[in-house]
Formats: sequence, structure tokens, C-alpha cells
Amino acid sequence: EAGVVQSPRYKIIEKKQPVAFWCNPISGHNTLYWYRQNLGQGPELLIRYENEEAVDDSQLPKDRFSAERLKGVDSTLKIQPAELGDSAVYLCASSLGSGKVDEQFFGPGTRLTVL
Amino acid sequence: SQKIEQNSEALNIQEGKTATLTCNYTNYSPAYLQWYRQDPGRGPVFLLLIRENEKEKRKERLKVTFDTTLKQSLFHITASQPADSATYLCAPANAGNMLTFGGGTRLMVKP
Repeated sequence: EAGVVQSPRYKIIEKKQPVAFWCNPISGHNTLYWYRQNLGQGPELLIRYENEEAVDDSQLPKDRFSAERLKGVDSTLKIQPAELGDSAVYLCASSLGSGKVDEQFFGPGTRLTVL
Repeated sequence: SQKIEQNSEALNIQEGKTATLTCNYTNYSPAYLQWYRQDPGRGPVFLLLIRENEKEKRKERLKVTFDTTLKQSLFHITASQPADSATYLCAPANAGNMLTFGGGTRLMVKP
């Protein structure tokens, strides 16, 4: 069974440019998470979806970040415009969902470099 | 605010010894706690989950303890191997499966 798929794996852009990351969770997983991981730190939750509904986006910088999960499957995270401080690895994870105590399955991440 | 502390310094041990990693948390009463392993360039991989009413959990060479009085979890790897070298992340969570990750501890097992 395929794991969580993310693309692209790497992205280099100049500041003020837009960027988008795509995630395909494990089939049947209702909950999808986007995390940001800075070098030497643990992942930090940006947004969590239960099916197509964003149920926790308190840590998402809404002035420049947006996310969507149409049809409750794939998800896209967008940054517009990007800033130097946005350089990080963006991780997508999924779990079975419905608020159950459950392990999360992570994708390989997208490493973003903003110049 | 919630604070999750893991030793930011790398832990270097000899092959065959037991590695013990510490996770302390403050301003938090998690219902359970998960441990993940992360290799360079990869996403975290789930290892173990322990609930607040469990004192200890084991899986093969891994053992996790959870002391809600001390607000601490210990993660042990017995008979460590060079392949165990990685960063280990502690993640306390509330009942809604919302994880708060610590900064991770890098483990280096030398042959």
C-alpha cells in the first residue's frame, strides 16, 4: 500500500513568489495534517482536516497561507507571497481519523528554500 | 503555554548498550504520548503510543514509560544497534489526536 505522497520534494523560490505543495494521504484516512518543521526542531502543526473540513487552523498564518482539501482526499497548501522565514520542510500526515487516538503516517515532506 | 523538552544534545552510545531518551512537558496534561523516529530527509515514523493510565509499554527492543506526576516520559532502546541511529521525537497529545512535538533527540550508536 502506498504511503503519504507529497510533491514536489524540493522547491526553491525567490521571496514574494507564490508556492504550492500537494499531498495525497493514505487511502481511507479521514484526517489530514500539515506540519512545518524548521531545522533542528520538531514538526509544528499548521492545519488539520477531518474529511474536507478544517477543524484546527489556529497555527496557520492566514495572511499568507491557505489550504484546501477538496472532496476530502488530496490537499494543497499554498503560500503567497513567500517570505525568507518560510524556508522549512512542510510535512503532510494522515490518520484514520474521527478524533481517535491513532498513529499518524507522514509523507517525506517538501523542502522549501526562499531566497 | 505548553512546553515539550527533549535533550537537544546528541546522545552517543556504544553498540549493545541501552539508550535512554527523556521527554519532559510542562503546562500540559496529555491523555497519551507518542514516540516517533525521524531519519534525515524523511518524515517521522511512528514507534509507540502510551496512554496516561499506562505506566509502561514495550515493543521488541523498545520500552516507553509515562509518569504523569513527574510529567515525564522515558524512551529506552535495549541492545542498541548502529541502525538505531536517528532523531527520536516525543509527542504528547490530547484526546483529539493533536500532537505537540518536542524538538527531538539525535541518537548516535557507534559500532
